[in-house]
Amino acid sequence: KNEVEQSPQNLTAQEGEFITINCSYSVGISALHWLQQHPGGGIVSLFMLSSGKKKHGRLIATINIQEKHSSLHITASHPRDSAVYICAVKFSQGNLIFGKGTKLSVKP
Amino acid sequence: NAGVMQNPRHLVRRRGQEARLRCSPMKGHSHVYWYRQLPEEGLKFMVYLQKENIIDESGMPKERFSAEFPKEGPSILRIQQVVRGDSAAYFCASSQRQRQETQYFGPGTRLLVL
Repeated sequence: KNEVEQSPQNLTAQEGEFITINCSYSVGISALHWLQQHPGGGIVSLFMLSSGKKKHGRLIATINIQEKHSSLHITASHPRDSAVYICAVKFSQGNLIFGKGTKLSVKP
Repeated sequence: NAGVMQNPRHLVRRRGQEARLRCSPMKGHSHVYWYRQLPEEGLKFMVYLQKENIIDESGMPKERFSAEFPKEGPSILRIQQVVRGDSAAYFCASSQRQRQETQYFGPGTRLLVL
């Protein structure tokens, strides 16, 4: 069964903290996406990666293909980073399979 | 360059009515995807369309749900005879070419069935 597991489910941090959100999947994939869902509900695609590491501003995404694991890091977190972060994977030619999301709350 | 647009943003229907959700992809994008997010659950794939073609509808409920992406105009997700369990957020995404590419999401339509 193709599954995507995220941890933690909920995360509360103080402004300025370094944050890590994890995503594990069950079988080989062709690509992994990290998405951000704002409190208002809109979804933004943050990264798509199939190997290595990508960085955009304070966000860093890494993937370890052998271990079937990806992490999303946020450096110098800010209250505006508060959102639900969703990991989604694509198995071969299939469609996106989504994790349940990690709800991040950054306190000032 | 406008992003993916969906309308309406909120839709209230009574049981048994029809719901029509519209999605206009980003300019230049010919691939559209519909996803459903049930309350307290993750996003689930419903259907993948290109212009005038349904490519993959493996995530669509077998009854009452249909989708189209005509040559002209937006993609439409149609739900007939809605039930309370259809209450959810419905998201549309688009990509320029194949589904291997980054998908850009619309703001979603929140459907509430009374």
